[in-house]
Amino acid sequence: ETGVTQSPTHLIKTRGQQVTLRCSSQSGHNTVSWYQQALGQGPQFIFQYYREEENGRGNFPPRFSGLQFPNYSSELNVNALELDDSALYLCATELGFPYNEQFFGPGTRLTVL
Amino acid sequence: GENVEQHPSTLSVQEGDSAVIKCTYSDSASNYFPWYKQELGKRPQLIIDIRSNVGEKKDQRIAVTLNKTAKHFSLHITETQPEDSAVYFCAASSSSGGYQKVTFGTGTKLQVIP
Repeated sequence: ETGVTQSPTHLIKTRGQQVTLRCSSQSGHNTVSWYQQALGQGPQFIFQYYREEENGRGNFPPRFSGLQFPNYSSELNVNALELDDSALYLCATELGFPYNEQFFGPGTRLTVL
Repeated sequence: GENVEQHPSTLSVQEGDSAVIKCTYSDSASNYFPWYKQELGKRPQLIIDIRSNVGEKKDQRIAVTLNKTAKHFSLHITETQPEDSAVYFCAASSSSGGYQKVTFGTGTKLQVIP
């Protein structure tokens, strides 16, 4: 196991609703990235947080937002849910430079109806 | 941005045979190349990685090669076993934007036939 946990495991929402997904990592892992993995696809980078600030973002609209807290936990918030948001959401934490290895959580399976 | 292509999308091999998965990347600034194994419904698990200053790395039955000039890298699994069956993802990572951005390939579903 990686020491990274995510909650909830599964979630069902309807179009237009808002959702918050949570990630908790090991002490010292001050960098967290969030990924969206659609069925049959590779993970797509959403954004990365370092020391509680967003420091990089992929091609995702502003309705995808996040927070990182001093206790090494983080959140992914998605507003105005769309059907295409149905996916596995993964967080991955890392120690930071010069260590590249990312430690993935088990993911949250989000279904939007 | 970075683009990572991965082939083949599916691969079936007999137990004991070798499996090879190939990836290409587009961003010459990429300097770290991890490979992940993902079993159904589980998290991606790092199985081996290589940095741009190394051409080859081996860990027991798994090896990775990197050709920076051609911008391609490959995963080699020897003496395959049924438990090697999973989806494998290559990835390329760049820190040129001030943060580590990892771009994944589309995955290879490996089936090892007993």
